[in-house]
Amino acid sequence: DTEVTQTPKHLVMGMTNKKSLKCEQHMGHRAMYWYKQKAKKPPELMFVYSYEKLSINESVPSRFSPECPNSSLLNLHLHALQPEDSALYLCASSQVGRATSYEQYFGPGTRLTVT
Amino acid sequence: GENVEQHPSTLSVQEGDSAVIKCTYSDSASNYFPWYKQELGKRPQLIIDIRSNVGEKKDQRIAVTLNKTAKHFSLHITETQPEDSAVYFCAASSPMNRDDKIIFGKGTRLHILP
Repeated sequence: DTEVTQTPKHLVMGMTNKKSLKCEQHMGHRAMYWYKQKAKKPPELMFVYSYEKLSINESVPSRFSPECPNSSLLNLHLHALQPEDSALYLCASSQVGRATSYEQYFGPGTRLTVT
Repeated sequence: GENVEQHPSTLSVQEGDSAVIKCTYSDSASNYFPWYKQELGKRPQLIIDIRSNVGEKKDQRIAVTLNKTAKHFSLHITETQPEDSAVYFCAASSPMNRDDKIIFGKGTRLHILP
């Protein structure tokens, strides 16, 4: 299985709502990532988990809260978002390397609209 | 930190012709260079990658070249087909980066003209 899955595919939420995005992979990858992608832009890294521990937070506002319950699952909890947070949220996973890097496999993304 | 520049931002080529996309990077320690293709509304997918111990790599109609001295790498697509229309992102990663953080270029929108 070389697939990363994400749910939901689409999400519309108000600025006072709380919602969660979910990501799952069964490739045995120990690094998992959240990216935000705006239209016509490259993916923008938000968080990296390595061996289920948060290793990179790219100065993301606290209204985004990541969680890695186990080596296969990654969540992104959303609260009090702003309209400018509307974007495609991509999850990715990869093997972990010390002296080299490995391909990142992306999920299909969650299209988030904040109203 | 690493910075990746990608050119052109938009490229239109006639079907059957070749397309070339160029990228430069700033961190001489970078050693992994993937290329991702993203079709409209779809996820980015790796189409080819190259490591710094190799100067060129080819996979059917797609090839990537790397010049470590000049710190640039290029994607070459030959005999272009309509399904090659997409946005292409180059990227670079350095072992100095924490936990396989890759830096993306801004992307090239490739249009294949009939």
